[in-house]
Amino acid sequence: GDSVTQMEGPVTLSEEAFLTINCTYTATGYPSLFWYVQYPGEGLQLLLKATKADDKGSNKGFEATYRKETTSFHLEKGSVQVSDSAVYFCALRRSDKLIFGTGTRLQVFP
Amino acid sequence: NAGVMQNPRHLVRRRGQEARLRCSPMKGHSHVYWYRQLPEEGLKFMVYLQKENIIDESGMPKERFSAEFPKEGPSILRIQQVVRGDSAAYFCASSPLASASTDTQYFGPGTRLTVL
Repeated sequence: GDSVTQMEGPVTLSEEAFLTINCTYTATGYPSLFWYVQYPGEGLQLLLKATKADDKGSNKGFEATYRKETTSFHLEKGSVQVSDSAVYFCALRRSDKLIFGTGTRLQVFP
Repeated sequence: NAGVMQNPRHLVRRRGQEARLRCSPMKGHSHVYWYRQLPEEGLKFMVYLQKENIIDESGMPKERFSAEFPKEGPSILRIQQVVRGDSAAYFCASSPLASASTDTQYFGPGTRLTVL
């Protein structure tokens, strides 16, 4: 069945460091791919999405490119801030449901 | 435009009691999804509803759990005779057009259920 695999956390970075959170998926066809962010005590917020191969989603300095060759959708940011500390979830859309990875916690220190 | 609203935000129940979780979708959205997040895990799909219809309940436990989305009012996720293993965060999401594979689901803040 469909699945999403994320790198385990926590990822600990200093402010202004480069961020990569790896995400790979297993699915038939080319599902839409998403990154959601969850701040402490809150629900999930859509960060970015890509709906077809080679699409690049971007928002708030974050980017991810839909790579069908490597079945990946890695999240990147050139310079993280303390306020980016949160849990990041990669997900794919299969029919009416989202299938999530287990999440990667990011901790950014000043 | 108000976002997806859920209440209560926190709910404490003793084993054997019933839990009722409510979700009001975003204005103009007629499709609701429920997900469960166990501690330190990702979200798992439970059920997808449209007004007065359950479309996909493949993720719902077969017993004690039920969901509805009436013509008027919020969607309700009901858990009867709760057990400690039901302790989790329950998230509701809504979308305007569920049939579109590119459509975004917007999430509420969640209800954190604690079973004592």
